[in-house]
Amino acid sequence: QSVLTQPPSASGTPGQRVTISCSGSNSNIGSNTVNWYHQLPGTAPKLLLYSNNQRPSGVPDRFSGSKSGTSASLAISGLQSEDEADYYCAAWDDSLNGYVFGTGTKVTVL
Amino acid sequence: EVQLLESGGGLVQPGGSLRLSCAASGFTFSSYAMSWVRQAPGKGLEWVSGFSPGGGGTYYADSVKGRFTISRDNSKSTLYLQMNSLRAEDTALYYCAKGFYRSLSGVDYWGQGTLVTVSS
Repeated sequence: QSVLTQPPSASGTPGQRVTISCSGSNSNIGSNTVNWYHQLPGTAPKLLLYSNNQRPSGVPDRFSGSKSGTSASLAISGLQSEDEADYYCAAWDDSLNGYVFGTGTKVTVL
Repeated sequence: EVQLLESGGGLVQPGGSLRLSCAASGFTFSSYAMSWVRQAPGKGLEWVSGFSPGGGGTYYADSVKGRFTISRDNSKSTLYLQMNSLRAEDTALYYCAKGFYRSLSGVDYWGQGTLVTVSS
């Protein structure tokens, strides 16, 4: 079972801003940086953000991240149809000595 | 270009064993932490195991501890996952993933996965 909690779904119309939360604890988000992944149907996950808010090369600046205490969030501005995917947060957990993923959020573009 | 190619998946009976392999290319394999991550059908992502380079150690999720063993052959740029005492709940698509340099605090590239089905 996941130790990072995300809302199961989020949605918006094209051009809108969508925010996804990720709630953890002192042993994971509270102590370590957060990474975000997205997964299109039938494909492998891809890194979207690392170190809370850093974008790998090729990721548009419509995607941004933040972290405060034991929670983190991902924001997608200017929502586009190709943003329909599952989104996962993740962080190292010092108590479990393992990398933990969030429960996942399915983003739908209406 | 980073490439990760998993193999070794298949159908196995409960209690059986399987060894997964991940052939890596496009980066200096020996310098990077590597992980296995799985995804049960229709479910989310679950980190299974990780291996830090240079004697940094191996780590396992509680759900597989004592049953799975991660190893690596740096001369072949290959990561392995030996899975013993398999259970129905181990059925999943298993991804090989490259770490952020020597750290297990994140993964940045993923393979396409190999499917493991545990069923009688």
